[in-house]
Amino acid sequence: QQQVKQSPQSLIVQKGGISIINCAYENTAFDYFPWYQQFPGKGPALLIAIRPDVSEKKEGRFTISFNKSAKQFSLHIMDSQPGDSATYFCAASINTGTASKLTFGTGTRLQVTL
Amino acid sequence: KAGVTQTPRYLIKTRGQQVTLSCSPISGHRSVSWYQQTPGQGLQFLFEYFSETQRNKGNFPGRFSGRQFSNSRSEMNVSTLELGDSALYLCASSTSGRSYNEQFFGPGTRLTVL
Repeated sequence: QQQVKQSPQSLIVQKGGISIINCAYENTAFDYFPWYQQFPGKGPALLIAIRPDVSEKKEGRFTISFNKSAKQFSLHIMDSQPGDSATYFCAASINTGTASKLTFGTGTRLQVTL
Repeated sequence: KAGVTQTPRYLIKTRGQQVTLSCSPISGHRSVSWYQQTPGQGLQFLFEYFSETQRNKGNFPGRFSGRQFSNSRSEMNVSTLELGDSALYLCASSTSGRSYNEQFFGPGTRLTVL
């Protein structure tokens, strides 16, 4: 059962444009929503994360928008650059107090063209 | 501070064999999680260890097992390898393993089963 659905599967954006990746979750117990960036041959690296008590979080060119009632969250990359070309994964986890596991979306391959 | 290291980086095995993968977490991190990454299934949680105890387990068969040592280093073992076990195995470490603690991923071990 896919608990975190991610779209689109791939995305091509021109340099300077806005990249938008969407995720939807089913489990309302999720309380932490990170986005990971993965380059070929590397492990995923945390990009930005949000908790459900806020609707938006911005770090530089990267913004997470969170809609708790719709159970959706999205990543916006402003002024996209060729160096942003990578695979992006949304994820969610539940804080049980002593343990956690990340449930990942299926990934979005972003290509930023010149 | 050194990042998460995984050895070996590449491994080729044949069906029926067993394999052991190693992960050294970031110094001071006590939680180690393992994930399997495949093109078809994406990133899937295998298990998490904290202070030498398995705290959380994903939906994988018993052929997949792991352990953690007193220095927080972790190993995962896959017995009776199947073709479908071919994947990138990622290890991630965090300070305490709580959901909002950033998980730092290693570069992974690429396992090919022939």
